[in-house]
Amino acid sequence: DTGVSQNPRHKITKRGQNVTFRCDPISEHNRLYWYRQTLGQGPEFLTYFQNEAQLEKSRLLSDRFSAERPKGSFSTLEIQRTEQGDSAMYLCASSLPPPGLEQFFGPGTRLTVL
Amino acid sequence: KNEVEQSPQNLTAQEGEFITINCSYSVGISALHWLQQHPGGGIVSLFMLSSGKKKHGRLIATINIQEKHSSLHITASHPRDSAVYICAARKGGSQGNLIFGKGTKLSVKP
Repeated sequence: DTGVSQNPRHKITKRGQNVTFRCDPISEHNRLYWYRQTLGQGPEFLTYFQNEAQLEKSRLLSDRFSAERPKGSFSTLEIQRTEQGDSAMYLCASSLPPPGLEQFFGPGTRLTVL
Repeated sequence: KNEVEQSPQNLTAQEGEFITINCSYSVGISALHWLQQHPGGGIVSLFMLSSGKKKHGRLIATINIQEKHSSLHITASHPRDSAVYICAARKGGSQGNLIFGKGTKLSVKP
């Protein structure tokens, strides 16, 4: 296990479609984070998990967004009824629990909504 | 006003120059991260620090908790250092999520 992986790397979809992204964290990391980054901006926090429990959600995470981590390993982020404003890079990161909170990032999934 | 501010937004340097990127934050933090992002999006964690100074190779990060300020220095800069450098703060009491600056785009010319 060499790092955090994300799939797909790129996704182009039409407005109104549903999309799902997957993140596989570093295997011994029990914390997993989702961020969104729009062009020219720094990433923004969306949500994070400790094991399978979703412990915090940003107000950016509208009801069209849902994230799961059913077995405490990989996580999925689903966006329903996509809008053009959802176009962004979706980043996943993982970390050990405190005090080891250094986060390791995946390569991201770039979403383009047409 | 963002809780994490970086300066400058863009920086062009000649190879070999000493580079400083600044980060100021307005919230109490438990740690501050410096990250490097290359074109295409991949983010690499450079440093996580809560006090003092850390050094990895040609990179040095410092933090002044009282002044709520951190700096990232690159000595003997090289074109391969060209990237976006992002400062991110973990709020005091927070269990892990980060608040990011907008990044500093560094271009090192040969």
